[in-house]
Amino acid sequence: AQSVTQPDIHITVSEGASLELRCNYSYGATPYLFWYVQSPGQGLQLLLKYFSGDTLVQGIKGFEAEFKRSQSSFNLRKPSVHWSDAAEYFCAVGGDNTDKLIFGTGTRLQVFP
Amino acid sequence: ETGVTQTPRHLVMGMTNKKSLKCEQHLGHNAMYWYKQSAKKPLELMFVYNFKEQTENNSVPSRFSPECPNSSHLFLHLHTLQPEDSALYLCASSRGGEPYEQYFGPGTRLTVT
Repeated sequence: AQSVTQPDIHITVSEGASLELRCNYSYGATPYLFWYVQSPGQGLQLLLKYFSGDTLVQGIKGFEAEFKRSQSSFNLRKPSVHWSDAAEYFCAVGGDNTDKLIFGTGTRLQVFP
Repeated sequence: ETGVTQTPRHLVMGMTNKKSLKCEQHLGHNAMYWYKQSAKKPLELMFVYNFKEQTENNSVPSRFSPECPNSSHLFLHLHTLQPEDSALYLCASSRGGEPYEQYFGPGTRLTVT
């Protein structure tokens, strides 16, 4: 069965610092991987996705993620965090022959000035 | 602006009331989803519709009744709810049939008193 683990419940960084949010997945074949961001009281916004090809994918708002099959990971990175990046981040995985996504429990990012 | 709208944005209802949540997507998608998001819990998939047909009911209590009259509209009819049903209800849409990215609406914050 597919599953997603986001090991960090809460992360705090200073504005301007680099960021890496961790995501590990469990899936037998090549997964379809996504990162979403949710601001308080809002819906989820797609940051980026990986279906195949280049393992380093670029997304919106300066985010990128790298698919590492050997580590079953799809970590989200940003070189310099802005205060407006404070939000909750969700990793999700999908597989062939299904239109369902499995979401992780989320990582709450707090940014200090 | 994500192309998925939800109304109302906030709803307070008593346990004996009947109300409905509405979702509309303007993206030409074929699949629509209802999720429940409660504090400190993972995102819970409730229902999936593909081409107006329900393809997933994730053991949701019968006090939640979905309706999908066409591929652009999705409703969630609510009756005799419990206080533990208070949550953010999110609607999403996707192209369907494969694990394509889902686009989310802003959600309806439901409070059951």
